[in-house]
Amino acid sequence: SQQGEEDPQALSIQEGENATMNCSYKTSINNLQWYRQNSGRGLVHLILIRSNEREKHSGRLRVTLDTSKKSSSLLITASRAADTASYFCATSNSNSGYALNFGKGTSLLVTP
Amino acid sequence: EADIYQTPRYLVIGTGKKITLECSQTMGHDKMYWYQQDPGMELHLIHYSYGVNSTEKGDLSSESTVSRIRTEHFPLTLESARPSHTSQYLCASSKSEMDRVFGSGTQLSVL
Repeated sequence: SQQGEEDPQALSIQEGENATMNCSYKTSINNLQWYRQNSGRGLVHLILIRSNEREKHSGRLRVTLDTSKKSSSLLITASRAADTASYFCATSNSNSGYALNFGKGTSLLVTP
Repeated sequence: EADIYQTPRYLVIGTGKKITLECSQTMGHDKMYWYQQDPGMELHLIHYSYGVNSTEKGDLSSESTVSRIRTEHFPLTLESARPSHTSQYLCASSKSEMDRVFGSGTQLSVL
């Protein structure tokens, strides 16, 4: 069953600007992950945040998690044209084992 | 560079044909997964395996079947393809929750 919902569905920004994408989910989770997908390709794992963590950084990526609101955000700072892709959040819980539940994704377009 | 391979990359086939989508990984991962994804939509888990001779159905009902005879190989079979099966099929593997690796996908079109 669908778990994550990304917002916005699509985002268009210029190079150098920051991009923020949000994800909401419905049930309790063990962790939340963000993935990136270039058009017609497989997904690439970006970052994982556990349910007991509130914020995590990886390079230009910053992820926050608010379990009370069942939401997460992904911030990409100083965006580049190469960041153009779809971004998905995915959750796992104790019932799903290692299987992930994905949202519909946010399509990000970064223009030069 | 991901060490998980899916073949074929693209497949166009007529209704009623039997097809097998191949997925192989060289990382020794115990867990493997098949997802189905329509354009611009979320991924839906259709099958997963926790190891050899282990297969489970995912959240999305699928007419496909899978097998896991070897650790590195997790093929997906459709006995009789229909236009409703047209979609992208993504295979993934993992050893833990951290290191899930996806293949490039197979784009299936059933005419």
